[in-house]
Amino acid sequence: DSGVTQTPKHLITATGQRVTLRCSPRSGDLSVYWYQQSLDQGLQFLIQYYNGEERAKGNILERFSAQQFPDLHSELNLSSLELGDSALYFCASSVGLENYNEQFFGPGTRLTVL
Amino acid sequence: AQSVAQPEDQVNVAEGNPLTVKCTYSVSGNPYLFWYVQYPNRGLQFLLKYITGDNLVKGSYGFEAEFNKSQTSFHLKKPSALVSDSALYFCAVRGPEYGNKLVFGAGTILRVKS
Repeated sequence: DSGVTQTPKHLITATGQRVTLRCSPRSGDLSVYWYQQSLDQGLQFLIQYYNGEERAKGNILERFSAQQFPDLHSELNLSSLELGDSALYFCASSVGLENYNEQFFGPGTRLTVL
Repeated sequence: AQSVAQPEDQVNVAEGNPLTVKCTYSVSGNPYLFWYVQYPNRGLQFLLKYITGDNLVKGSYGFEAEFNKSQTSFHLKKPSALVSDSALYFCAVRGPEYGNKLVFGAGTILRVKS
């Protein structure tokens, strides 16, 4: 158990809908990262937050947004969902900003868009 | 060119034999290098990392990795494979050369047969 929790585990929804994925980082970790894992794209970094502020952006679509709250939990919002958004979404956390810090991953949320 | 290359989609090895999962990175400089493992329907688990110093890094579950700067490689090794090592293995790099983002390889499936 990495100490990172994600809810829900599974999500099934329809095209055009909006969903929110939730992540709680390990105790003491200030950095939260979101990743998307799909068969065709592999593991892709989406976005990073550190202590409530956005720090880095990857290949995140404009339809997607995220935030980190004062209690350090984070939410990833996916809107106007398309079939291609079906994927595993992982949250990870690390202690700080340094590149050498390993990231600890949650169990993921499997999103299915029908 | 890929930032991180895992040239083998799958590696098959007999239980008790040594295993190697290959990884090369394409950017010069001094990135930080990581190995993660993913079991079915689970999140990624951190195995080991290279920051600096000794080129042979020891990690969890008996795994080790050898950093070779001249060949820009970071191959994962284990002297004696177990059936329970069967999983998906990811090499990843992070550093200024990669926009300070964790960039993953495509992954290598390891199958250990008894």
